[in-house]
Amino acid sequence: DAEITQSPRHKITETGRQVTLACHQTWNHNNMFWYRQDLGHGLRLIHYSYGVQDTNKGEVSDGYSVSRSNTEDLPLTLESAASSQTSVYFCASSGSGSLNEQFFGPGTRLTVL
Amino acid sequence: GIQVEQSPPDLILQEGANSTLRCNFSDSVNNLQWFHQNPWGQLINLFYIPSGTKQNGRLSATTVATERYSLLYISSSQTTDSGVYFCAVDLSGTYKYIFGTGTRLKVLA
Repeated sequence: DAEITQSPRHKITETGRQVTLACHQTWNHNNMFWYRQDLGHGLRLIHYSYGVQDTNKGEVSDGYSVSRSNTEDLPLTLESAASSQTSVYFCASSGSGSLNEQFFGPGTRLTVL
Repeated sequence: GIQVEQSPPDLILQEGANSTLRCNFSDSVNNLQWFHQNPWGQLINLFYIPSGTKQNGRLSATTVATERYSLLYISSSQTTDSGVYFCAVDLSGTYKYIFGTGTRLKVLA
């Protein structure tokens, strides 16, 4: 069965360190997304990609970057982790046209000390 | 930008009761999804429903895009229905979904 996986599932890091969260999907979807979920804010879009070599900023992109070198993966990098980036991060993917139902990975809980 | 409002924000039910959750949106949308986030944090797809009515077991959903709202019906609720229910709308042509702030449901045994 097709799926989206995220790793690690839990991560504790220190302020100022670079952190990369992995996202891998086997749906063969063109579109991939990163969200963060915080209490009181629901899910907010960080970055998204419509295909290989395409990346776009979302609503809360400051301090984050992504790269898309193949269809399956969209790693999210926190260049210099800050305590404000403590959150739960979700990756999602979707097809195009009328098949744009989004499917989510299990999430990564990141704590920045 | 587009606003997505869900009501009620919190809901407590006795097992076996029925409920209706509402999602209002402020602009034209291409698609709409309902998700259930279970107590372990997993986001589960419930309905992909740009318009019309769909049913899946005890759950059903109706979207009236022209009036900018969607309803999620839960019948004969069970404790496993507890969690947060989100609606998310897709801005036309962008494949990006905007999420509402959710309805937190607790079903008591």
